[in-house]
Amino acid sequence: EVQLVESGGGLVKPGRSLRLSCTASGFIFGDYAMSWFRQAPGKGLEWVGFIRSKAYGETRDYAASVKGRFTISRDDSKNIAYLQMNSLKTEDTAVFYCNVYHYGMDVWGQGTTVTVSS
Amino acid sequence: DIVMTQTPLSLSVTPGQPASISCKSSQSLLDSDGKTSLYWYLQKPGQPPQLLIYEVSNRFSGVPDRFSGSGSGTDFTLKISRVEAEDVGVYYCMQAIHLPLTFGGGTKVEIK
Repeated sequence: EVQLVESGGGLVKPGRSLRLSCTASGFIFGDYAMSWFRQAPGKGLEWVGFIRSKAYGETRDYAASVKGRFTISRDDSKNIAYLQMNSLKTEDTAVFYCNVYHYGMDVWGQGTTVTVSS
Repeated sequence: DIVMTQTPLSLSVTPGQPASISCKSSQSLLDSDGKTSLYWYLQKPGQPPQLLIYEVSNRFSGVPDRFSGSGSGTDFTLKISRVEAEDVGVYYCMQAIHLPLTFGGGTKVEIK
């Protein structure tokens, strides 16, 4: 079964850092780009960014709202994608989802909640 | 950024009746390869989104055939031929032709 499990969420003060993990199983992780999305409380979906596969240079793209503060990385040996979040702001409070999409496959994790509050 | 505008904001539908959601993009979603990068998702309460339709009109694996997508260029529609109780949730359109990926604001569907 193809599965993604996010972890690492929690309560953090503004300005601090947090690293989320997305652990994959059931597919050849290294072959696919991995994306992160988020959803603020009561709001819609927002794309955060993604990292391409090694075959595409592991290049990354980010939403403007997180560029320069968030970094996506991957460890294909462990089947994990990471979202390093620095200089967190209260407006980063959200449920964060990881996702893998390719023709015939669209998998989302259940999400991990990040709350940024003093 | 491409702006995605969904209407209506909400729908209250009697089971067995049809429903329709519109999504308009601020730019054409037709790619140079001839494909149109418009996707429809349903987010049921307390769950992550689930893909219903990809590239305008292709039902994703396991999606009931009461769901259909249509449109071209900048105007798209999701139709549910006969709404069932399990269809409640928020429907989102999303474009993937240009970064950043952007979503419509969502349409909440509830059952009367």
